[in-house]
Amino acid sequence: SQTIHQWPATLVQPVGSPLSLECTVEGTSNPNLYWYRQAAGRGLQLLFYSVGIGQISSEVPQNLSASRPQDRQFILSSKKLLLSDSGFYLCAWSVNSGTDTQYFGPGTRLTVL
Amino acid sequence: ILNVEQSPQSLHVQEGDSTNFTCSFPSSNFYALHWYRWETAKSPEALFVMTLNGDEKKKGRISATLNTKEGYSYLYIKGSQPEDSATYLCALISNFGNEKLTFGTGTRLTIIP
Repeated sequence: SQTIHQWPATLVQPVGSPLSLECTVEGTSNPNLYWYRQAAGRGLQLLFYSVGIGQISSEVPQNLSASRPQDRQFILSSKKLLLSDSGFYLCAWSVNSGTDTQYFGPGTRLTVL
Repeated sequence: ILNVEQSPQSLHVQEGDSTNFTCSFPSSNFYALHWYRWETAKSPEALFVMTLNGDEKKKGRISATLNTKEGYSYLYIKGSQPEDSATYLCALISNFGNEKLTFGTGTRLTIIP
């Protein structure tokens, strides 16, 4: 069966520090991968998605970036965190697009101070 | 930017009562609508994927209907139980780009024992 892992579960970082969140999927090949963020009082916002290794689409201009160095690994990064980057970050995968269910990881709670 | 709206934002329902809430979306360029349930401290869990106008799907005591012509979907819960307490999210995929889910802000349901 397929599983999705995210780490760390919680993170407290100072403004201006770098960020690296990792997501890995097991039990499937060539999944679509997604990064979402839920900021306080807001809905889930798609940040990045990837349909294959090295292929990243960005949805929202910001100081975050994503990379997919391996088929089942998706990394969210920042060189310098802002206060507004605080939120709950979710990674998800799907087999294909559109009508396929997306399966979410456990999430990372990021607090930027 | 797609506007997906959910109402009400929050809802308190007595255990045993039935309830429903709404997801509204632009009817043009509809491709698919997803419903998810997000319990506190857990990952969002897929409930339904709906694609055809007039679709009705059911999972236990939860069901959903879809009207793509007028741009809305209803989620119904029959005989609410405490374990139904969660935030219910709908998400739209348009045929502008069918890898991307645009989420509503959710309906937070609390079942009162």
